[in-house]
Amino acid sequence: SQQGEEDPQALSIQEGENATMNCSYKTSINNLQWYRQNSGRGLVHLILIRSNEREKHSGRLRVTLDTSKKSSSLLITASRAADTASYFCATDWGVNSYSGAGSYQLTFGKGTKLSVIP
Amino acid sequence: DTEVTQTPKHLVMGMTNKKSLKCEQHMGHRAMYWYKQKAKKPPELMFVYSYEKLSINESVPSRFSPECPNSSLLNLHLHALQPEDSALYLCASSQRQGGTEAFFGQGTRLTVV
Repeated sequence: SQQGEEDPQALSIQEGENATMNCSYKTSINNLQWYRQNSGRGLVHLILIRSNEREKHSGRLRVTLDTSKKSSSLLITASRAADTASYFCATDWGVNSYSGAGSYQLTFGKGTKLSVIP
Repeated sequence: DTEVTQTPKHLVMGMTNKKSLKCEQHMGHRAMYWYKQKAKKPPELMFVYSYEKLSINESVPSRFSPECPNSSLLNLHLHALQPEDSALYLCASSQRQGGTEAFFGQGTRLTVV
């Protein structure tokens, strides 16, 4: 299975601290994405990092990608209570076809449940 | 409009019922997806449509039947479900299949009794 593994499964920190979540995966990828989910509702896309990129920033988010180790990390700096949510990495992988459809699919890791205590 | 709209938000159905979940997007996206998510688990891919054609079926039981009537709409027809099919069903769309971010709807919370 391509499903990624997140580490840790749960993380509890104080407001203002930094939160780091890690993700490992198994096969070659097109890109890796991070999503956030509040209370079992829809997922919100946070950031996408392509396989030829090593680091990407978006606001308080920093993502790294190490394709040689098949791993990625998400750093949230200066956390807020509103950051409390589940965070998932998702690998975009598959085979393209000449028809343009291909078998690319987005497969989610097991997720990290982040609790930020005010 | 960057929304994916799913209806209904909640659905309770008996094992002999037939029901449908609906998903709509007006972002011009050409790939649409159905995911199933059980409590405290990650979303699991069920189906992918690309340019209104079924591209991926992840060995989903035939009691789940997807349909893509046009580029903006995606349906999931449900028939003779089992209690273990109770879950959050998420629809998503992206510009194309692969290489871009996915936009998710808020999901339909399905309970099979």
